[in-house]
Amino acid sequence: QLQLQESGPGLVKPSETLSLTCTVSGDSISSSDSYWAWIRQPPGRGLEWIGYIYSSGTTYYNPSLSSRVTISVDTSKSQFSLELSSVTASDTAVYYCARRSLSSGYSFDYWGQGTLVTVSS
Amino acid sequence: QSALTQPASVSGSPGQSITISCTGSSSDIGSYNLVSWYQQHPGKAPKFIIHEVSKRPSGVSDRFSGSKSGNTASLTISGLQAEDEADYYCCSYAGSRTFFGTGTKVTVL
Repeated sequence: QLQLQESGPGLVKPSETLSLTCTVSGDSISSSDSYWAWIRQPPGRGLEWIGYIYSSGTTYYNPSLSSRVTISVDTSKSQFSLELSSVTASDTAVYYCARRSLSSGYSFDYWGQGTLVTVSS
Repeated sequence: QSALTQPASVSGSPGQSITISCTGSSSDIGSYNLVSWYQQHPGKAPKFIIHEVSKRPSGVSDRFSGSKSGNTASLTISGLQAEDEADYYCCSYAGSRTFFGTGTKVTVL
């Protein structure tokens, strides 16, 4: 059973960089069927796609965030990471990592439990 | 375009059927049969319940069904149960972009 687990600071100061890591277990992060994604949800609001990465390093970013986002993958550690720079209070959200499956029509079939990141001084 | 449009709320009595619409454009829903649906209970991560417009993953109740017409996708929940009370989100692949719906709160009366 595939499992994903987010980790990282729960509090980030304005203008600094938010950094999160997702650890994948139960399947290979190098699977040809899988992209690895970050999705966020501000408190009381809907889901927003941040971006996703293939094990080769190819990335796709939400154009509204692309100037501040970097997603990377470390296949040796079965981890992928998110960096979001120059954060403001509007970046406060629960951040989820997820698998995007090609065999399920690019759906997000497995999700981490989510981690709340608050941007505040 | 920033998000697909869903009704904010839909309600029904136990045993009834309800339908949630998800309206996009010719660039996303209208161009791809790659619409998925997610159920989210309070404080929980979303759960994947429909992919490729109408396909149910293993283990998902057959009370959930999906369809698409033009630029609008729909999720129908039949035989509504108390446990179906949750938020529901649609999502469409759109090439280099991805769009989630605005979300619909389903209330079981």
